[in-house]
Amino acid sequence: LAKTTQPISMDSYEGQEVNITCSHNNIATNDYITWYQQFPSQGPRFIIQGYKTKVTNEVASLFIPADRKSSTLSLPRVSLSDTAVYYCLVGDLGGDKLIFGTGTRLQVFP
Amino acid sequence: KAGVTQTPRYLIKTRGQQVTLSCSPISGHRSVSWYQQTPGQGLQFLFEYFSETQRNKGNFPGRFSGRQFSNSRSEMNVSTLELGDSALYLCASRMDRNQPQHFGDGTRLSIL
Repeated sequence: LAKTTQPISMDSYEGQEVNITCSHNNIATNDYITWYQQFPSQGPRFIIQGYKTKVTNEVASLFIPADRKSSTLSLPRVSLSDTAVYYCLVGDLGGDKLIFGTGTRLQVFP
Repeated sequence: KAGVTQTPRYLIKTRGQQVTLSCSPISGHRSVSWYQQTPGQGLQFLFEYFSETQRNKGNFPGRFSGRQFSNSRSEMNVSTLELGDSALYLCASRMDRNQPQHFGDGTRLSIL
């Protein structure tokens, strides 16, 4: 599993766009990039997954440059309920390969 | 589409007892994995089942066991409970390898 590096924390205000960048220099050719959101005492919630370029769903966008050594999770117009920890993972996420790092703690203020 | 459902959400037991936790995966998902999450240790892998067969197992003692039924529902059993077993137990399901895992909200187990 490729090692990932992301900021420990970020602050934002309601209505703003938030971009969280993750570095994964050792990403392998077949690796996908996956982002999860987690609230206290709840299971991680799958947000988005991508391989290259840009992926968009109803809650977020994922931007992946051509070299795939980093990725950016974009949350449009955040609200207070987006306050959570966001995790970036790379590679196959099965079984014992699923390792959540410290993630990025996003705090949204009114 | 319903998400991963875990029951019960909360459970209080005493040392020495046993417990069974249940997980219903997303419809169509054949892989079910179990994890233990604690503040100090983070997320630790227990085991993964695929089509009723245990495909992978983490480093937990034999007191922790699981099984998967033909409808992909899974149960996890912990016998002779210890204080250190207090944790959030998470179940995750996915279609197969290279697909993202989808988690339930977990069962909060407290041992008194």
